[in-house]
Amino acid sequence: DGGITQSPKYLFRKEGQNVTLSCEQNLNHDAMYWYRQDPGQGLRLIYYSQIVNDFQKGDIAEGYSVSREKKESFPLTVTSAQKNPTAFYLCASRALTGDQETQYFGPGTRLLVL
Amino acid sequence: AQTVTQSQPEMSVQEAETVTLSCTYDTSESDYYLFWYKQPPSRQMILVIRQEAYKQQNATENRFSVNFQKAAKSFSLKISDSQLGDAAMYFCAYIEAAGNKLTFGGGTRVLVKP
Repeated sequence: DGGITQSPKYLFRKEGQNVTLSCEQNLNHDAMYWYRQDPGQGLRLIYYSQIVNDFQKGDIAEGYSVSREKKESFPLTVTSAQKNPTAFYLCASRALTGDQETQYFGPGTRLLVL
Repeated sequence: AQTVTQSQPEMSVQEAETVTLSCTYDTSESDYYLFWYKQPPSRQMILVIRQEAYKQQNATENRFSVNFQKAAKSFSLKISDSQLGDAAMYFCAYIEAAGNKLTFGGGTRVLVKP
């Protein structure tokens, strides 16, 4: 099946620890995105990438890092510099041709701080 | 900066009845896209419907339809013949044409009473 997968579903982070959230898509989409959702709120953009080996900061990039070594993959690292990482993280992708304005989302990862 | 406002934190509807969710947005752009996403308890964001700003005709998808008023910057969602599976958070979102950042409203929780 074509789609976007995120793993793990739940992730626990200890103080001072870096953790990495996985996002993979087999839709052959060019662009990929990471959003953060806090309880009772909408989504906010962390980082996005339109092509391999290139990415841009979104509105709340501080304390996060990304890489885009393959078209299919866009992992997000939550670093120890992110002081309030507890949130729900959603990955999205979209094609840059055809239906190019629609972003499709993965199932999300819930990150909790121990 | 673009903003999206959903003024109804929660709406309740009887099964088989109709409910309308409000969304207003602020932008100086003339070419953009609007979306309604559904977020059920699983928390995955599911595209419900999308509207291109250059199209005067309101989009419809089965039981879901929109009332797009470009001059008023209003984009409401009507859910007809409501079903128990429609119970979820609904988010209105905006993106500029060729833009990368989806701007979300705060969401409206829809409760469906049997």
